[in-house]
Amino acid sequence: QKEVEQNSGPLSVPEGAIASLNCTYSDRGSQSFFWYRQYSGKSPELIMFIYSNGDKEDGRFTAQLNKASQYVSLLIRDSQPSDSATYLCAVIAYSGAGSYQLTFGKGTKLSVIP
Amino acid sequence: KAGVTQTPRYLIKTRGQQVTLSCSPISGHRSVSWYQQTPGQGLQFLFEYFSETQRNKGNFPGRFSGRQFSNSRSEMNVSTLELGDSALYLCASSLGGLKTGELFFGEGSRLTVL
Repeated sequence: QKEVEQNSGPLSVPEGAIASLNCTYSDRGSQSFFWYRQYSGKSPELIMFIYSNGDKEDGRFTAQLNKASQYVSLLIRDSQPSDSATYLCAVIAYSGAGSYQLTFGKGTKLSVIP
Repeated sequence: KAGVTQTPRYLIKTRGQQVTLSCSPISGHRSVSWYQQTPGQGLQFLFEYFSETQRNKGNFPGRFSGRQFSNSRSEMNVSTLELGDSALYLCASSLGGLKTGELFFGEGSRLTVL
């Protein structure tokens, strides 16, 4: 059973600070890593994806991947109250016979305090 | 460009009944995947259909089934409903399929089983 672990939070940060969200995964063969944001009562939306070790930046968001440590993180710089949401880590791994397994973490709830 | 449309948005059933949910993907997207979201288990992958064929499957019992039509619209069926099937059921469409992880979610169908 492939597992994706996230700290459930809530993670509270002051406005303007850096929010750091972490995710670990169990399948060493995992290939692709995604961060989805889900506002309360809404459906998830993709905000970042990363395939290779290192950092990937997109505006205020940076995804970091370390395959050796089986760890992926999301940094949100200059956090805004509008960033308050649950952040879901998702991992895709090849499961054989041309099939892929998509596993989500249970999410970290982020609260940005004005 | 229209988004992913799910119907019905809300429904109430009793144990032992069956239910069918519908999902219309974004125009041009041939992949539709289905998910169950509950407070306890988070977001869990059910299955993916691509060009009318089931391509990937999660770890759910056979009571959960689906199909996809030639216009890419998809239906999910749950037979012999149990109380534990109460959840938000989300579908997502994708241009490249599940393995790309770039999913666009609908608003969901909230099922309550009494």
